[in-house]
Amino acid sequence: NAGVMQNPRHLVRRRGQEARLRCSPMKGHSHVYWYRQLPEEGLKFMVYLQKENIIDESGMPKERFSAEFPKEGPSILRIQQVVRGDSAAYFCASSRDLGYTFGSGTRLTVV
Amino acid sequence: GENVEQHPSTLSVQEGDSAVIKCTYSDSASNYFPWYKQELGKRPQLIIDIRSNVGEKKDQRIAVTLNKTAKHFSLHITETQPEDSAVYFCAAGSSARQLTFGSGTQLTVLP
Repeated sequence: NAGVMQNPRHLVRRRGQEARLRCSPMKGHSHVYWYRQLPEEGLKFMVYLQKENIIDESGMPKERFSAEFPKEGPSILRIQQVVRGDSAAYFCASSRDLGYTFGSGTRLTVV
Repeated sequence: GENVEQHPSTLSVQEGDSAVIKCTYSDSASNYFPWYKQELGKRPQLIIDIRSNVGEKKDQRIAVTLNKTAKHFSLHITETQPEDSAVYFCAAGSSARQLTFGSGTQLTVLP
């Protein structure tokens, strides 16, 4: 079992570009969560998805951010027109029921 | 929604001493309380969890206690070692929704 796979590990984008972060959950896990972590801060919930459904997106900024978890393929967190304040580590976690397993994260740097 | 508060934000102990981190939660529907350890630049990793049908759980040098009436739970680490130095996060949630994390405790074990 390969665990939760996130890619890329590091992503550098210029202001105004788009960032696409990918997450493949553990085998058998149907729940995917995205969290954002700013340097020396906690894990802030963004969105909770199941296959083809957004269950809770209450933590997602209203503009520029979107997420999906299609029937086939990884979950995608998409940030359009990135700004410097989007620089952070983005962690994906998956679960079957309770108990998250986190991926290694994508560290987004906006220059 | 759920609100989790964690104290202290930083904690320094001498090697061999005990460390205690405390969390409170607000939503009485929460029934699952995990603790995660995050080393610098790494992913959060589950170290112990407790469900609301038990009051205490122990795994070697780590124990967690839960007081449902008061809505608080604590992490206890005994005989601390330098490799215990990390950021520790508590969380609260249930199978119906995502975990809400505390703001983290930076634990430093001094040799």
